[in-house]
Amino acid sequence: DVKVTQSSRYLVKRTGEKVFLECVQDMDHENMFWYRQDPGLGLRLIYFSYDVKMKEKGDIPEGYSVSREKKERFSLILESASTNQTSMYLCASSVRDITEAFFGQGTRLTVV
Amino acid sequence: AQSVTQLGSHVSVSEGALVLLRCNYSSSVPPYLFWYVQYPNQGLQLLLKYTSAATLVKGINGFEAEFKKSETSFHLTKPSAHMSDAAEYFCAVKKVGGNKLVFGAGTILRVKS
Repeated sequence: DVKVTQSSRYLVKRTGEKVFLECVQDMDHENMFWYRQDPGLGLRLIYFSYDVKMKEKGDIPEGYSVSREKKERFSLILESASTNQTSMYLCASSVRDITEAFFGQGTRLTVV
Repeated sequence: AQSVTQLGSHVSVSEGALVLLRCNYSSSVPPYLFWYVQYPNQGLQLLLKYTSAATLVKGINGFEAEFKKSETSFHLTKPSAHMSDAAEYFCAVKKVGGNKLVFGAGTILRVKS
């Protein structure tokens, strides 16, 4: 079975903390994505990576950064967490042409 | 740029009734189109996809969708709703050769007994 694994299902962090969300895929996919999901807004792309050490900004990159040092791992970093970053975060991976994207279970982050 | 519009943030049907979830897209070139389902506190699972082969696409759990280029639509249907179909459904589009998957706002399907 193909798998995208996010390191945490639930996280509670304090305002101003540096937060790391980790995602690992076992399908040797070139592309990896981080989305944020909020009610009524669907999924919005934060960042994506099409190769190791390569990244591109999505639609809402402000307040976030990413790291992809190995092909299977894509990390999302909140440099200084704020309450408006409370959300569900979804990681996905795909082959280069994105004929299908595979999603992790999501991380529900609460910033207090 | 591609975009996706899902008409109706909430749809309610009776068990056994037809399910119709609407999706319209905009894309300057023929796209790939997807429907995903999300059950509570889960990630997204692919229901079906259109990648420029047959315009009527059959997916899992009895769902199907038809690509209509003239109407720029990709509506999702199921002849008879089941209680287990209650979930949130997302339509998504990708431009062929592009590198982004753009999602609609989602439609929550409620199935009444």
